[in-house]
Amino acid sequence: GAGVSQTPSNKVTEKGKYVELRCDPISGHTALYWYRQSLGQGPEFLIYFQGTGAADDSGLPNDRFFAVRPEGSVSTLKIQRTERGDSAVYLCASSLLLAGGYNEQFFGPGTRLTVL
Amino acid sequence: QKEVEQDPGPLSVPEGAIVSLNCTYSNSAFQYFMWYRQYSRKGPELLMYTYSSGNKEDGRFTAQVDKSSKYISLFIRDSQPSDSATYLCAMMISGNTGKLIFGQGTTLQVKP
Repeated sequence: GAGVSQTPSNKVTEKGKYVELRCDPISGHTALYWYRQSLGQGPEFLIYFQGTGAADDSGLPNDRFFAVRPEGSVSTLKIQRTERGDSAVYLCASSLLLAGGYNEQFFGPGTRLTVL
Repeated sequence: QKEVEQDPGPLSVPEGAIVSLNCTYSNSAFQYFMWYRQYSRKGPELLMYTYSSGNKEDGRFTAQVDKSSKYISLFIRDSQPSDSATYLCAMMISGNTGKLIFGQGTTLQVKP
């Protein structure tokens, strides 16, 4: 399909380990977003890319979290020294960047991260 | 206090009922107001968006925004069991850039 895809769909890791979560946006979408959704909560913004650069990373909770988008398409969210509190669904979204109007964010199915 | 407040429910209604879902917010800079639907273990999908104040209708769904009261609503007419999902309100300051601020989500169950 032509939607946003995320891999893996599920990731179980042990406390202290390093994980990488991948997002493939819709082809041609310049903007890419990462959100985190804890159980029973709405998604919380983490970081936003315009092309290759992070335009807003104000939602990253601490320096254990880092995201890249080296070629302006695929993005990877990296979490170092995982903690149990990092357990959540990590959602990726992408959108066009047309000026002067609303650009819908299309969400992927998410990666469910469990830190034991 | 969160920027966007939404009653988590759960809300249970019989098939055919009119459903009213609501959010309040504190940031007067919000200009775009969205309603997303999220099925279990799926990503959110956009139902409707509204720019500034006013009403917008799409089939069985009507969205209302009252900026003076900082209050938004989603009405679902003739509710169906397939409408059972979590409904998330979301807001943003600018339509073409930046982050969405979501409410907690309201879980809706429509019983046949």
